[in-house]
Amino acid sequence: SQKIEQNSEALNIQEGKTATLTCNYTNYSPAYLQWYRQDPGRGPVFLLLIRENEKEKRKERLKVTFDTTLKQSLFHITASQPADSATYLCALRYNAGNNRKLIWGLGTSLAVNP
Amino acid sequence: EAQVTQNPRYLITVTGKKLTVTCSQNMNHEYMSWYRQDPGLGLRQIYYSMNVEVTDKGDVPEGYKVSRKEKRNFPLILESPSPNQTSLYFCASSLVGQGPYEQYFGPGTRLTVT
Repeated sequence: SQKIEQNSEALNIQEGKTATLTCNYTNYSPAYLQWYRQDPGRGPVFLLLIRENEKEKRKERLKVTFDTTLKQSLFHITASQPADSATYLCALRYNAGNNRKLIWGLGTSLAVNP
Repeated sequence: EAQVTQNPRYLITVTGKKLTVTCSQNMNHEYMSWYRQDPGLGLRQIYYSMNVEVTDKGDVPEGYKVSRKEKRNFPLILESPSPNQTSLYFCASSLVGQGPYEQYFGPGTRLTVT
C-alpha cells in the first residue's frame, strides 16, 4: 500500500546539537514535500516546502533535503534549542491520475534538552 | 492578522445530537479542508473544497457533511454524532493553482461524543 513513514520513536537531543528527522515514502510520484511543526493540542504550522526537482532548501536553522531515488526527505534543525521541542510532520503532495493528493506522516516527536 | 478560526474549541456532546463546528479564514483562500487527528492514525482528510459551492470527499467522509456557501466559511456538520467521532478536528485553508502552497491550520476543536 502507498504510505509515508516518519521515525516513530521520539528523538531526544542535547541543546546545540543538530536534530535530523526522516520522512520516507513508497509508490508515489511526488510533486513536492512539506514539513510542519505541531505543538500539543494545536494546529500544524508550515515550516518548509521542497519540490521534486530540488535537492535542498534552507531557512534560517532549518534545512530540508529531498532524494527521489531513495524516496526520502531529511529535515535538519541546527543549533537546536529547547523551544524547538515539538512534533514535526511531513506531508507529501503526489500525482494521482489527474489529481494531486496530499498524504501526511504520523510525525516525529523531538525533545531538545537544555 | 492572517488566521483560520474554529469554534468551539472544545465540545462534549451525546450520541445523536446534531452539531456544527464553524471554520472561517480571512486570507481569501480558495481551498479549505477539514481533518481529524487521532493517535496512531495521524491527520486524515474528511472533506475539502476547492472554491465556493465546490466540495469533495476526503479519505474519511462518512458521518460528516460540509457546505461552502461563502469563500471564507467552511462549517463541518455532524448530523448524528457517534463515539467513534471523538477526535481532534482541524480546519485548514490555502491558495490553489499551479504553485505548491502551504496550508494554514486553525487551532483545533476537541470533540468528545459520549
